[in-house]
Amino acid sequence: ILNVEQSPQSLHVQEGDSTNFTCSFPSSNFYALHWYRWETAKSPKALFVMTLNGDEKKKGRISATLNTKEGYSYLYIKGSQPEDSATYLCAFMKGSARQLTFGSGTQLTVLP
Amino acid sequence: EAGVAQSPRYKIIEKRQSVAFWCNPISGHATLYWYQQILGQGPKLLIQFQNNGVVDDSQLPKDRFSAERLKGVDSTLKIQPAKLEDSAVYLCASSAGTQGQNSPLHFGNGTRLTVT
Repeated sequence: ILNVEQSPQSLHVQEGDSTNFTCSFPSSNFYALHWYRWETAKSPKALFVMTLNGDEKKKGRISATLNTKEGYSYLYIKGSQPEDSATYLCAFMKGSARQLTFGSGTQLTVLP
Repeated sequence: EAGVAQSPRYKIIEKRQSVAFWCNPISGHATLYWYQQILGQGPKLLIQFQNNGVVDDSQLPKDRFSAERLKGVDSTLKIQPAKLEDSAVYLCASSAGTQGQNSPLHFGNGTRLTVT
């Protein structure tokens, strides 16, 4: 069973603050790392699919970095807004298995 | 494009009863997944189909869970008989890629199952 760890488990930030979360995964036999955002009462939505060591991806105020050699990815949110409140899930795909193993998520609450 | 459709949204049953969930993936998506998400945990893959064939069902409790994907389109997931520990959100997802391709997953809204 693959170990995908996300930290922190939850956090509260004030509107306008910038924040970041961590996803840790096995560094061997890496294939891909996915990030999803899951808002309450909605379906999880894909943010990024990352495959290359050193990859950096950006979508609006949200960006992500990837270090496959040490087995971690960071998700950054710049200038958090209340609509950013959601659970952020990362998912690791191992080269041989080709199936996604999800972390337990980071629950973000942005206070107005 | 229309998203992944799931029904029902909510279901409450008593233990030992049976229940079925339905999923209609995005048109043309070859790969379909069923995930179980227990409160406080990440989604766990139950079964993965490519077209109408099973790619991975290693974490499916086959003594009580079954799934099928007829004609490579819609899918149903059944639990019979249900246990208290089956209370969870059941998510269906589809992707355009086949196994090994890096397409993101598109999820439905999920079915929240409560077993009492």
